[in-house]
Amino acid sequence: DAGITQSPRHKVTETGTPVTLRCHQTENHRYMYWYRQDPGHGLRLIHYSYGVKDTDKGEVSDGYSVSRSKTEDFLLTLESATSSQTSVYFCAISRQVDSYNEQFFGPGTRLTVL
Amino acid sequence: GQQVMQIPQYQHVQEGEDFTTYCNSSTTLSNIQWYKQRPGGHPVFLIQLVKSGEVKKQKRLTFQFGEAKKNSSLHITATQTTDVGTYFCAGQWGGGNKLTFGTGTQLKVEL
Repeated sequence: DAGITQSPRHKVTETGTPVTLRCHQTENHRYMYWYRQDPGHGLRLIHYSYGVKDTDKGEVSDGYSVSRSKTEDFLLTLESATSSQTSVYFCAISRQVDSYNEQFFGPGTRLTVL
Repeated sequence: GQQVMQIPQYQHVQEGEDFTTYCNSSTTLSNIQWYKQRPGGHPVFLIQLVKSGEVKKQKRLTFQFGEAKKNSSLHITATQTTDVGTYFCAGQWGGGNKLTFGTGTQLKVEL
């Protein structure tokens, strides 16, 4: 599974607290992504990275920031968590296979904001 | 932003029945990918379609890309309990490495 791990796997926090989720990969892939998954909305892109210190916003980036200081780690931070950020968060990498790029997903982090 | 609409949202079938999910974009896609997510799991890549009118098969699964490259479908023949999960399409416009996912179709198969 492209050696992708996410930590923590589960977290319960309170409104207003900062939260950082970590995605770690072992295969030096250039592209990394953070998605959130909510019922009825599918997977929505929060932020993505195309290299160390190179990041860009996705469609639902408000309230989230990211950092990538090393190729293998992509961090997602909720500066002040809100209940609307309760979700399952997936990290993914893009890997070229033959003539196309497919995304491999980590196991996910279930975040509950009370 | 660009969106991919996917229907139906849910589908219950009896084992052995067929199943189809549809995706549609208002603008021409460069390619479309399909993913499957088992309950409690993470999405897993199934296939990519690139060419206009392309049809690809994986055992009981048939994937189609429309002639105008604006729509796609996934058809499962004679469903089995192992087909249970949520199926997502994901579209790309132009180059780059970003995907826009459809909302998914959750398939339940009853014995």
